[in-house]
Parts: sequence; structure tokens; C-alpha cells
Amino acid sequence: SQQGEEDPQALSIQEGENATMNCSYKTSINNLQWYRQNSGRGLVHLILIRSNEREKHSGRLRVTLDTSKKSSSLLITASRAADTASYFCLTDSWGKFQFGAGTQVVVTP
Amino acid sequence: DAGVIQSPRHEVTEMGQEVTLRCKPISGHNSLFWYRQTMMRGLELLIYFNNNVPIDDSGMPEDRFSAKMPNASFSTLKIQPSEPRDSAVYFCASSSSGTGLAGNTIYFGEGSWLTVV
Repeated sequence: SQQGEEDPQALSIQEGENATMNCSYKTSINNLQWYRQNSGRGLVHLILIRSNEREKHSGRLRVTLDTSKKSSSLLITASRAADTASYFCLTDSWGKFQFGAGTQVVVTP
Repeated sequence: DAGVIQSPRHEVTEMGQEVTLRCKPISGHNSLFWYRQTMMRGLELLIYFNNNVPIDDSGMPEDRFSAKMPNASFSTLKIQPSEPRDSAVYFCASSSSGTGLAGNTIYFGEGSWLTVV
């Protein structure tokens, strides 16, 4: 089974709305990273959050980490059509690296 | 700074042929990862190296797959013989490694899109 499991699997929103996706994991981690993948392209790093951090921001992105619940969320505020992509979480459990299944986000103009 | 560079970007080969994928990590990074992405299985870690030494190869599917890192600036992933079920996107990634909370951002290449017919 996957360490990182994401929900929802797919999300369809309109431009200007916020998009929230979650990543849950099973074993303790030392950090968690979020990536974006546009169709047919590689993975672009968005944010890394460490286990001793609770929240990080980068532009329109906000990531939270709740180690007691073993979950992380990625919030994209004021979404744009260009945010249409798949988003993945990657957990690092002291040298064990696992991706979640991803959330496919579609932002319509 | 150049990112992780992979070649070839696209390859179509016949079943039974040998396939070699190449990767140049970001200069100064000492951890290198090979991932495979398919619709069915998502992103799977095949192997990762630290300081050119394989640390975890538990994800390598079978003996047909092998990976080497002869020096800090080059790695190969070889499939011999290739099979149609090996069709996937193969990503190489690198990071400047740390342990525990010092784990660092992992940067990905654009991928090698492999089709075995």
C-alpha cells in the first residue's frame, strides 16, 4: 500500500476559487514534499515541509502538516487555469521515499 | 544552473532489445533517484544512490533492470531484455542529501518516455 495517499483523486474548480488537497501517510516522516506535474511533463517541486514545521507558504500555496494525524494539505488560493495539473505528495521516512497517487486538478476559466 | 538532465527523452524499442536511460544529476548533489511512472502504479521508486552507492534498490522490478552510478555526475538505468510492460516514464531525480530533518528538496528531470512494442 502507498505511504502517501491523496484525496480527492480529482478536483474541478473555477478560476478564482481555492483548491485544497490532502495527503495522508502511515509511518512517521522527517519531511514531506509537494510536486506539480503538468500533462506530459516532469515533476516540479512546490514546497518541502519538515516534521517540526506546521505550516509553510509560497506565493499562492499554503501547506500544512499535522504529524499527530499523519496528514498534510496543500491549498492553492485564487486558482488560475495554469494551475491545471496533477499534484503529488512525496514522503521521506528516513530514507524511505514514497509518492501518493496524486490529485488531478482542473481549473476552468 | 542546469537541472537534472535525462536522455533520451523519448524511445520506442522492440521487445527483447536493450534499453539504456541516462541521467546527469544537478552538480553538487550527492543523492540520485530513479522513479518509474505508469497509469496503473503511479510513481514508484526503483533505486536510489547516495554518494554513488546504491542505498535502496528494493523497488527494482526484477533482474532485467540494473542501475549504475560510476561517478557523481552520471547514472544509467538499463533494461535487458525489454518487455512491453516496461513501457512507462522513467524519471531521474537528485538532491543534496541529509539525514533526518536535514532531508532536502528532490529535483526531477523531464523524464524518459519509453515505449516497448
